[in-house]
Amino acid sequence: AQTVTQSQPEMSVQEAETVTLSCTYDTSESDYYLFWYKQPPSRQMILVIRQEAYKQQNATENRFSVNFQKAAKSFSLKISDSQLGDAAMYFCAQTGTASKLTFGTGTRLQVTL
Amino acid sequence: GAVVSQHPSWVICKSGTSVKIECRSLDFQATTMFWYRQFPKQSLMLMATSNEGSKATYEQGVEKDKFLINHASLTLSTLTVTSAHPEDSSFYICSARKGTSGGDNEQFFGPGTRLTVL
Repeated sequence: AQTVTQSQPEMSVQEAETVTLSCTYDTSESDYYLFWYKQPPSRQMILVIRQEAYKQQNATENRFSVNFQKAAKSFSLKISDSQLGDAAMYFCAQTGTASKLTFGTGTRLQVTL
Repeated sequence: GAVVSQHPSWVICKSGTSVKIECRSLDFQATTMFWYRQFPKQSLMLMATSNEGSKATYEQGVEKDKFLINHASLTLSTLTVTSAHPEDSSFYICSARKGTSGGDNEQFFGPGTRLTVL
């Protein structure tokens, strides 16, 4: 069974600052993928970043980067130079060979001026 | 590319009626589609996996006779909520996956359908 845990229900960051959202996971599979999704008020799920478990290098997408610690089963998301448009729910998720996504409970990110 | 649409975006129905929600992949063929349910301020819960031309696979605790899923073509999957009741009110989201298992596992999400049962 797969589990994803997000221990921060809410986070707040000032505009232009950096924030890190935490995520831990558990899986019995050796081949899996990890994702961070953003869900703004429109509720459209938007893929922020993905990481293949077999890759040691941390994924980066512009202002978004991850810290993937495979042994610790940790997958945190760092948002640099935060913008007002980054305010949303962020879900950590994982999938294995069956491609079934398991989501964490989400972290609501507020961005303040 | 990789756009997924859902119709309707919002539906209100009376208790006891059935409601059909469509999920379409607009610019790619989706061999597999997924249906999720999201309660207010909660996470997405996978309801079922839909494979084109075969029966859907339901997650534990999901009533397959209540939530009928049909995946008749590579671009369309439908979810029918039969004999809907107020407790079925929720936000339903579909996703579609390109390619085959073991390769690119990214799912592309539809915008969701808000169902309200009176």
